[in-house]
Amino acid sequence: AQSVTQPDARVTVSEGASLQLRCKYSYSGTPYLFWYVQYQRQGLQLLLKYYSGDPVVQGVNGFEAEFSKSDSSFHLRKASVHWSDSAVYFCAASITSSGQKLVFGQGTILKVYL
Amino acid sequence: GGIITQTPKFLIGQEGQKLTLKCQQNFNHDTMYWYRQDSGKGLRLIYYSITENDLQKGDLSEGYDASREKKSSFSLTVTSAQKNEMAVFLCASSMGQPFSNERLFFGHGTKLSVL
Repeated sequence: AQSVTQPDARVTVSEGASLQLRCKYSYSGTPYLFWYVQYQRQGLQLLLKYYSGDPVVQGVNGFEAEFSKSDSSFHLRKASVHWSDSAVYFCAASITSSGQKLVFGQGTILKVYL
Repeated sequence: GGIITQTPKFLIGQEGQKLTLKCQQNFNHDTMYWYRQDSGKGLRLIYYSITENDLQKGDLSEGYDASREKKSSFSLTVTSAQKNEMAVFLCASSMGQPFSNERLFFGHGTKLSVL
């Protein structure tokens, strides 16, 4: 079955450190790929999205993600995190399987400590 | 910019009760969605609607009804609340066709607790 997997339920890093949040998808084609962020008591907001072209896409607040077809991955990165980046991050893939659907990963809780 | 407003923010119900959650958007978007968010399980689609009076079932539609009487509003009904149920329900909207490369805009959620 088509799925999106975020293998890390929680990630803790110190402020100023680099960050990678992992996302793997299971789908034979190339889906539309998204990263969303959910700050406490708020809805999800789009960080970035990818469909084709340059495999590295830039998003808001210094985030970027790299698509890898060979690895079926879409990992999110940031060179230097800030305490305000603490939130839940969701990877999502829009796929065509018995109709179009948007599948979300389980989410990764990011804690940035000072 | 637009906004999605969900009411109420918090909803406490009794087992077996019918409960209704409301969502309004002023983006003039065609498609609206209801997702359920459970801790550690990501978001799961309950219902979506591509236009006024249209309803499409998602993966988790059993136990829920939905209504889209106006383009700007989309309501969700829990037909019989389950004891100890606790989840956050998120409403979202997007331009054009659902599940395309268009981003979703989300409301802040309604947190449901069933006693």
